Amino acid sequence: DVKVTQSSRYLVKRTGEKVFLECVQDMDHENMFWYRQDPGLGLRLIYFSYDVKMKEKGDIPEGYSVSREKKERFSLILESASTNQTSMYLCASSFTGNYNEQFFGPGTRLTVL
Amino acid sequence: GESVGLHLPTLSVQEGDNSIINCAYSNSASDYFIWYKQESGKGPQFIIDIRSNMDKRQGQRVTVLLNKTVKHLSLQIAATQPGDSAVYFCAADAEGPGSARQLTFGSGTQLTVLP
Repeated sequence: DVKVTQSSRYLVKRTGEKVFLECVQDMDHENMFWYRQDPGLGLRLIYFSYDVKMKEKGDIPEGYSVSREKKERFSLILESASTNQTSMYLCASSFTGNYNEQFFGPGTRLTVL
Repeated sequence: GESVGLHLPTLSVQEGDNSIINCAYSNSASDYFIWYKQESGKGPQFIIDIRSNMDKRQGQRVTVLLNKTVKHLSLQIAATQPGDSAVYFCAADAEGPGSARQLTFGSGTQLTVLP
């Protein structure tokens, strides 16, 4: 059974804290993605990676960074959390090439106080 | 860039009726489309996909229709059941760097099945 896992389902942090969200996939996918999901806005792409140590900005990268040191792991980092980063964060992965769906993790609900 | 929109944020149907959820996309170069279902507290799950060389594709109780002329796709759910209550997203693909395909998602339609 294919799987994308995220390190936490719920997380509460304080403004200014450094936050790490971890994502691991066991499908040997080349591509990994981080989205945030907010009511009425759908899924917005923060960053993605198409190979180890490679990263590309998505639509809303400000305030975030990422790390991909191993193929199966993609980390999202909030350098200094702010209240407007309170959101649901979703990780996904996919194979390279055409016509490949993205597989999603269960999400991390982050609250920044 | 690509934009994807869903026509209705909410949809209520009676159990046993058919549901139709609509979606529009902007990029005529998109050639792959996916419908996802997201239940409360879970990540999106793949339902069905369609390539641009097709007009229709059927799965188990679901059908996706693609009209490339007007850049519109729809998801039809037959004999809607309580377990179908969820948020439904359409997504359209686009080419990204390094041969990675990106998906642009619509904002979602909350489907509620009434008893």
